Amino acid sequence: KAGVTQTPRYLIKTRGQQVTLSCSPISGHRSVSWYQQTPGQGLQFLFEYFSETQRNKGNFPGRFSGRQFSNSRSEMNVSTLELGDSALYLCASSLEWVGEKLFFGSGTQLSVL
Amino acid sequence: GENVEQHPSTLSVQEGDSAVIKCTYSDSASNYFPWYKQELGKRPQLIIDIRSNVGEKKDQRIAVTLNKTAKHFSLHITETQPEDSAVYFCAALKGYQLTFGKGTKLSVIP
Repeated sequence: KAGVTQTPRYLIKTRGQQVTLSCSPISGHRSVSWYQQTPGQGLQFLFEYFSETQRNKGNFPGRFSGRQFSNSRSEMNVSTLELGDSALYLCASSLEWVGEKLFFGSGTQLSVL
Repeated sequence: GENVEQHPSTLSVQEGDSAVIKCTYSDSASNYFPWYKQELGKRPQLIIDIRSNVGEKKDQRIAVTLNKTAKHFSLHITETQPEDSAVYFCAALKGYQLTFGKGTKLSVIP
């Protein structure tokens, strides 16, 4: 089985731009969750999707949004980028929900200049 | 929301010694506590987890203990090896939100 795939691997943007990140879960996994990882802050929960529905959202501004498609693939979007948005964005998939083993992708490293 | 504190932030041990990492959580409704290991440049991987109806769980050299009354849980690694060197994250689940600690960088010195 292919693992969780995230694209692109690296992104460089400037302040004020917007960005879209993609995540393809393991086949058969219906839950996709997103995390922001920065040095010293660990992994911060962004949101979780199941069957195209957002079940929970973390404490991030409305500039961060996401969606899930019928094939369970997910995208997250960040609008009006700020310098502080520079981070590694990880997605993880699981069969049904985040209360079971998560399989993480390699992440998208976003740099905002 | 839930808040997870993890200590220490860095830990160095001699090969063969034991390592202990502790986490506390704030919301008594949290009921699932996984531990993830992230080696340098790699993705996090689940190493062990425990649910709130269990006090202790072991898997070879790794064990996790949970004290619901005190709202803390700990990761114990015995007979550490150089390949145990990594960043370890604890987490607590409430509902559909998983809250992670800030991580512990473990260095095992040969």
